[in-house]
Amino acid sequence: KQEVTQIPAALSVPEGENLVLNCSFTDSAIYNLQWFRQDPGKGLTSLLLIQSSQREQTSGRLNASLDKSSGRSTLYIAASQPGDSATYLCAALGDSNYQLIWGAGTKLIIKP
Amino acid sequence: KAGVTQTPRYLIKTRGQQVTLSCSPISGHRSVSWYQQTPGQGLQFLFEYFSETQRNKGNFPGRFSGRQFSNSRSEMNVSTLELGDSALYLCASSWEGGGQETQYFGPGTRLLVL
Repeated sequence: KQEVTQIPAALSVPEGENLVLNCSFTDSAIYNLQWFRQDPGKGLTSLLLIQSSQREQTSGRLNASLDKSSGRSTLYIAASQPGDSATYLCAALGDSNYQLIWGAGTKLIIKP
Repeated sequence: KAGVTQTPRYLIKTRGQQVTLSCSPISGHRSVSWYQQTPGQGLQFLFEYFSETQRNKGNFPGRFSGRQFSNSRSEMNVSTLELGDSALYLCASSWEGGGQETQYFGPGTRLLVL
């Protein structure tokens, strides 16, 4: 049974820092790995989707990597800004049941 | 293009009642997925509808059901509500679904069961 873990549960850093959020999964039989952000009182926004055959994806200041063999993905945020404050969730899509299994999220606070 | 809309945004019910939640996907999207989010269990997949057919289902009791209409709008129904059904219910739409492409989420319906 797939389990997705995100560490740390919360992170507070000053503005301008580069930071890394971690996501680990127990079953490497995934179709893709997805990163989302959730703002209070709002739904989720898709950030990056990495296919199982890919190693990384980039969008602006965000870069996500995937290492299936070790069961790990990281989300790198460059030059953090207060607007990046949100909860970041990763989710793994199983390659047999096509259901997203979610991590509990990392609550990120960027201090001005 | 309008985003995914969900109605109502907030809902208060009592145990034993039933509730229907609605989701209107982005125009042209044929897949609608539903998720439940609670502080204790996090986000969990409920089911996915594609072209009016349930294509995938998570591990939830039969009290949770849904349907999709010909215009791709979807409804989710929960019967015989329990306290543990209090949650944020999110729907997401995409072109082909199956989780294989970017999903666009609505703002959610927050359900409180008393």
